[in-house]
Order: sequence, then C-alpha cells, then structure tokens
Amino acid sequence: QVQLQESGPGLVKPSETLSLTCAVSGYSISSGYYWGWIRQPPGKGLEWIGSIYHSGSTYYNPSLKSRVTISVDTSKNQFSLKLSSVTAADTAVYYCAREVGGIGSSWRYDYWGQGTLVTVSS
Amino acid sequence: QSVLTQPPSASGTPGQRVTISCSGSSSNIGSNTVNWYQQLPGTAPKLLIYSNNQRPSGVPDRFSGSKSGTSASLAISGLQSEDEADYYCAAWDDSLIKGVFGGGTKLTVL
Repeated sequence: QVQLQESGPGLVKPSETLSLTCAVSGYSISSGYYWGWIRQPPGKGLEWIGSIYHSGSTYYNPSLKSRVTISVDTSKNQFSLKLSSVTAADTAVYYCAREVGGIGSSWRYDYWGQGTLVTVSS
Repeated sequence: QSVLTQPPSASGTPGQRVTISCSGSSSNIGSNTVNWYQQLPGTAPKLLIYSNNQRPSGVPDRFSGSKSGTSASLAISGLQSEDEADYYCAAWDDSLIKGVFGGGTKLTVL
C-alpha cells in the first residue's frame, strides 16, 4: 500500500521560505510516476502547485512558478517543496500526492498524504 | 474564481440520486479527461472517478461520472449518510498549462 506523509514547520514568517518534505513508503519513487503538491486554504478549494518526476523533471503552476521549487531525493524515497517569499495568502493545508499521467489528459492523483497545515504569520 | 465551475452545494435524502455538475471550456474539459475527488470532513481528498467515468478499485458503483463537450457530471445513486462530503472536479488545462480544480460542491444528506 502506497503511503505518503508530509512533514515540516507548521508556522512560517512572512517573506520567509516554506519548506515541506513528503516521505513515500510502499513504493519506490525511482520506479516511476510523477509526485505532486496540492494546497487548500482553510475553508477553500484545491490548488495545484507542481509536480516532479523521479528523474528530477519538474513542472509548476505558472502563477506560483517564480516562487516554487520541487526536488526529489530517491535515496531517501522522498520529495520536497520550497515556496519562497510567503505571505498570509499562502496559509493552507499542503498535500503531497502520487500523480498519474503527468501533463495532459491523464493527469490525476491516486494516493494522497494526510496533509499538513502551514500558517504564515509573524 | 475557479476555472471549473461547480454548484457550491447540493443535497438529497437517503436513497435518492444526486448529480453534481462541472462546467469548463474547450481547453480543459473539452480537451482532456475529468476526474472527481471526494473529501470527507477533515480528511485528504480521495480519487473517486478518473478518465471521465472510471472507478478506482474499492469505489462503489453507486458513483458514476460522465462527460459531454465542455461539461461533466458526477452522479451518486442510493445516497447514504456517509456520502456527505465535498466533491471536486479536476482536469488539465492546455491553455493555462496547469491542472485545475472546480471550486467544490458540499453535499448534504438530509
């Protein structure tokens, strides 16, 4: 059974960088699939942030691209998210998930982490 | 404002059939397949329907999806109290070059 678990600080100061890690168990990232990040502001809908392939190839939401970096560590079977210059608008539950299909028609997420709330506040 | 448009709420009584709509455009639903996610209160989203009308293993056949042109629908038959959740449609958008979600529909079982 594929399992994903997010970890990282729950509180980040404005203008600083949000950093989260997603540990994957039950499946080797090196075996394939894309791996993505999605966020959900409190009481609001879902927003796709970006995704990474095990080779390191990435693609990002254009509206966040200038601030987002997603990386992968296959030796630890985990991938990470960095979001720079955060503001209160970045307060959200951040989910990591396994992505099927990559860019295009087959794009979907079949396994999700439980999510972690990150609050941006001084 | 979400790229995919869903009604904010829907409701039904146990045993009823309920449908939730999702409206998009030629660059998303019109060009790519639609997926539906169910989010129970306080939990992560769960893939409910993929590729317009396919159910992942373990999803009851009470849930079904369809697509026509630039719109899609999720139907839930034999409504049960445990179906009370938020439902999101999603698709890739070729013009925006990103994955897009609907704003979500909160389903209440009366």
